[in-house]
Amino acid sequence: GAVVSQHPSRVICKSGTSVKIECRSLDFQATTMFWYRQFPKQSLMLMATSNEGSKATYEQGVEKDKFLINHASLTLSTLTVTSAHPEDSSFYICSANLGTQYFGPGTRLLVL
Amino acid sequence: KQEVTQIPAALSVPEGENLVLNCSFTDSAIYNLQWFRQDPGKGLTSLLLIQSSQREQTSGRLNASLDKSSGRSTLYIAASQPGDSATYLCAVGARGGADGLTFGKGTHLIIQP
Repeated sequence: GAVVSQHPSRVICKSGTSVKIECRSLDFQATTMFWYRQFPKQSLMLMATSNEGSKATYEQGVEKDKFLINHASLTLSTLTVTSAHPEDSSFYICSANLGTQYFGPGTRLLVL
Repeated sequence: KQEVTQIPAALSVPEGENLVLNCSFTDSAIYNLQWFRQDPGKGLTSLLLIQSSQREQTSGRLNASLDKSSGRSTLYIAASQPGDSATYLCAVGARGGADGLTFGKGTHLIIQP
């Protein structure tokens, strides 16, 4: 139990395009999901907290207009990287809260 | 603001050795602490979860301890194997899981055959 999936697992896009990443809790409902980012050889950094039915809470330094988060249901949160640029290339990973956090497998984004 | 530090940053040992990875955190008001393993280019594998009221957790050759008052945790790996080679991440959670986790930078472990 407590499985979290992410889609896509890998995406390559051109600079200026938008990319949507989905995070799903497969066998449980999660009112809260989290989005993290990991740059090469760095640790995971929390970007934002996604709350079902309300606005996401962003960490300091994370642009809310660039990283759009939608938590439309109790099993799905989406992260949209708008007008992506090469510096947005990173490993994005989500987690869902069920008392403890269960992590998805991550999405590797490469912006050319 | 919570800060998590892991020492050493990297470690290379011959297989068979017992080893200890260290994690320290600045704010002792934690809800839980987790140890994860991350293989290159992959996601996270949860190894051990210690609630703030617990002192240690064990799983197979792994043992994690928690001293909340001093802000420290250790991950003990017994009889290390080449398959244990990975980056080990320590993360602390607060507020009953309502907040995201704060991660350390990890210990990159290499077990030499």
